[in-house]
Amino acid sequence: GESVGLHLPTLSVQEGDNSIINCAYSNSASDYFIWYKQESGKGPQFIIDIRSNMDKRQGQRVTVLLNKTVKHLSLQIAATQPGDSAVYFCAEGPNNNDMRFGAGTRLTVKP
Amino acid sequence: EAQVTQNPRYLITVTGKKLTVTCSQNMNHEYMSWYRQDPGLGLRQIYYSMNVEVTDKGDVPEGYKVSRKEKRNFPLILESPSPNQTSLYFCASSSRLAGMDVGELFFGEGSRLTVL
Repeated sequence: GESVGLHLPTLSVQEGDNSIINCAYSNSASDYFIWYKQESGKGPQFIIDIRSNMDKRQGQRVTVLLNKTVKHLSLQIAATQPGDSAVYFCAEGPNNNDMRFGAGTRLTVKP
Repeated sequence: EAQVTQNPRYLITVTGKKLTVTCSQNMNHEYMSWYRQDPGLGLRQIYYSMNVEVTDKGDVPEGYKVSRKEKRNFPLILESPSPNQTSLYFCASSSRLAGMDVGELFFGEGSRLTVL
């Protein structure tokens, strides 16, 4: 069946460096994509979203890139800070009520 | 403070002993949903509710029940828990948009359930 997955289960970066977290999806009909951050012992928290009619969207220190040709989504975090350490996962679907969630990538920021 | 509150946060129980995980939100959201999170699988939707007295099955509803008698509460009921229901459970809520669409999901902090 259709699935959402991640290229890397873990990512370790130095504080101040930029981080790139990748996500591959297989449902070419998906219209809506979200990145979530999940800190230890907490629930997922919305970071940024993008619709399929866009290929880039920027937030504060974060950028999401969407490549529909290869069904690839990435999250870029600029100047990564220790507070960015968490599990990040992508989700895709037609709307928030019908999302498929990836398993996540654990980001560790080294001081 | 706007929040989704789940209880209990941690529970160890035995097979067959009925339990309820409560979920309450104070944001006057119409939409509420339950998910389970298992290693390597990501979040999977169990049940959702578009409004009071309206509930629908998600992707993995077997072994679970829900009710939505009030707007703020959406309890998850395990009538006869089994070990394969050992998981981390999340409740979420959102405002309702047009049709089946809902706004940004706000998640609770999770309830870790172990069934022996």
